[in-house]
Amino acid sequence: LAKTTQPISMDSYEGQEVNITCSHNNIATNDYITWYQQFPSQGPRFIIQGYKTKVTNEVASLFIPADRKSSTLSLPRVSLSDTAVYYCLVGEGYSSASKIIFGSGTRLSIRP
Amino acid sequence: GAVVSQHPSWVICKSGTSVKIECRSLDFQATTMFWYRQFPKQSLMLMATSNEGSKATYEQGVEKDKFLINHASLTLSTLTVTSAHPEDSSFYICSAPGGQGSGANVLTFGAGSRLTVL
Repeated sequence: LAKTTQPISMDSYEGQEVNITCSHNNIATNDYITWYQQFPSQGPRFIIQGYKTKVTNEVASLFIPADRKSSTLSLPRVSLSDTAVYYCLVGEGYSSASKIIFGSGTRLSIRP
Repeated sequence: GAVVSQHPSWVICKSGTSVKIECRSLDFQATTMFWYRQFPKQSLMLMATSNEGSKATYEQGVEKDKFLINHASLTLSTLTVTSAHPEDSSFYICSAPGGQGSGANVLTFGAGSRLTVL
């Protein structure tokens, strides 16, 4: 799996847009980019996945430049409940031989 | 959507005893499940890959005789922490591929099991 680098922590305020960038310089052609959210004492939860350009769902957007060496998770108008750790993972389509390794993640704190 | 049920959510045991944690995929089959371990304020660490009908694959540094994994059916994997000691106290999380997203590298996680060994 391609190694990822994210900021260790970020702070923001309610109502703001938050962008978390992940670097993955050695991403492979077949790799997808997937983001997970984890609250304390809970298992991670899938947020969004993309391969290139832009993906949007009901909770977030994912921006991927043409070279795919980085990606940005965008959370629009965050609330206190968005305080969590966000993980960026890069890997190819799943097979029984695949291993999904988590990086350090970004600890996002939202203030009133 | 896909659901992975993990039980128990928390357990306290005495040193030297064994504890079993169950992980079930409720509405989909999982030939493979992953077991992670997480210490406070740290990331998830992959312990092993559980394979239905065959032996689990353990990550380097994880004792296979201490962390017994059984994947007896397409919907159930169990992790048994044998002869638990206080240093085994941690948050254990299972996951299975499938569910949301396009399926590529997407995991559905259990809620986790917090083990405290006294």
